[in-house]
Amino acid sequence: NAGVTQTPKFQVLKTGQSMTLQCAQDMNHEYMSWYRQDPGMGLRLIHYSVGAGITDQGEVPNGYNVSRSTTEDFPLRLLSAAPSQTSVYFCASSYSIGSPTYEQYFGPGTRLTVT
Amino acid sequence: DQQVKQNSPSLSVQEGRISILNCDYTNSMFDYFLWYKKYPAEGPTFLISISSIKDKNEDGRFTVFLNKSAKHLSLHIVPSQPGDSAVYFCAASASGFDNNNDMRFGAGTRLTVKP
Repeated sequence: NAGVTQTPKFQVLKTGQSMTLQCAQDMNHEYMSWYRQDPGMGLRLIHYSVGAGITDQGEVPNGYNVSRSTTEDFPLRLLSAAPSQTSVYFCASSYSIGSPTYEQYFGPGTRLTVT
Repeated sequence: DQQVKQNSPSLSVQEGRISILNCDYTNSMFDYFLWYKKYPAEGPTFLISISSIKDKNEDGRFTVFLNKSAKHLSLHIVPSQPGDSAVYFCAASASGFDNNNDMRFGAGTRLTVKP
């Protein structure tokens, strides 16, 4: 199993550009999520999905869109990049919201810089 | 609002000694707590968890203690090894139909174990 994969690993954008961060998992997990990590802030939840076709907002959703057309893929779209979106982005998945454990499996991250 | 706080950004201990990492939370609805470990340029990996119905959970060298009345949990690593050097994140979630099923993370504590 590849686990959770993310592409690209690094990206530089100019203000106003759009892009999609890709995330895929091969563990047949129902729950997938996107986090951003900023210095001194820990990991903050952007959006999450409890299954194909179902998405919801997390703590910091503004400026980001998501969709979940398949169980495996959960792309994160930046509509119009801003310098405040410079961060490291992590995608994660877990078996089920209703399972006894909330252990999530994280991808390696995408380091995004917006100039 | 930071609902999960790790007030020590860094901790340094000698190999073989005990490492104690602390975490405080403010939301009394949190009922599941996890610790994640993160190496540079990698995603966080799950370490250990505890449900609010317990006050202690042990897994090898790692023990998590939960004090619900104080809204405090701690991770003990005994004995500490140089390979334990990483950033440790505390995380908390609230289950139940009315909750978002999102997870809140602390800012992390960088542990350095000196040989």
